[in-house]
Amino acid sequence: KQEVTQIPAALSVPEGENLVLNCSFTDSAIYNLQWFRQDPGKGLTSLLLIQSSQREQTSGRLNASLDKSSGRSTLYIAASQPGDSATYLCAGHTGGFKTIFGAGTRLFVKA
Amino acid sequence: DAMVIQNPRYQVTQFGKPVTLSCSQTLNHNVMYWYQQKSSQAPKLLFHYYDKDFNNEADTPDNFQSRRPNTSFCFLDIRSPGLGDAAMYLCATSMGGRESEQFFGPGTRLTVL
Repeated sequence: KQEVTQIPAALSVPEGENLVLNCSFTDSAIYNLQWFRQDPGKGLTSLLLIQSSQREQTSGRLNASLDKSSGRSTLYIAASQPGDSATYLCAGHTGGFKTIFGAGTRLFVKA
Repeated sequence: DAMVIQNPRYQVTQFGKPVTLSCSQTLNHNVMYWYQQKSSQAPKLLFHYYDKDFNNEADTPDNFQSRRPNTSFCFLDIRSPGLGDAAMYLCATSMGGRESEQFFGPGTRLTVL
């Protein structure tokens, strides 16, 4: 059974710092891995999708990597800003349209 | 803009009183999903439709039902809400290929009194 774990559960950093959020999954048989952002009381906004055949994806200040063999993905945020404060979730898509989410990392960027 | 829309954004119901949540999409995606997310927890998949094909997760309570009358709309019916059903309900869509990206609506926050 696929399980997704995100560490740390919460993170507080000063503005301008580069940071890494971690996501680990137990079953390497995933079709893709998606990173989302969730603001309090809101839905999920897709940030990056990494296909199983890819190793990384980049969008602006965000870079996500995927290592299926070790069951790990990371989300790198460069030059963090207060507007980046949110909860970041990763989700592994497996067969049969099943999607398993991690519980998220709550990020706070201090001005 | 193409999007996933959920109505209402906030729903208050009484214990045991049936409630229906609505989701619509302009993306013309084949797959629609319903997730339940409780406070500070991971979203949990309840069921999904691939076109008209309904797929229930094994641990989704019978109290939860869904309808998809056409490609654009999908409804979540909670027949007899309990206090434990208070949560954020998220609708999502995807094209349908096994590597396709999921897009989410803004969610409906359900309160059960």
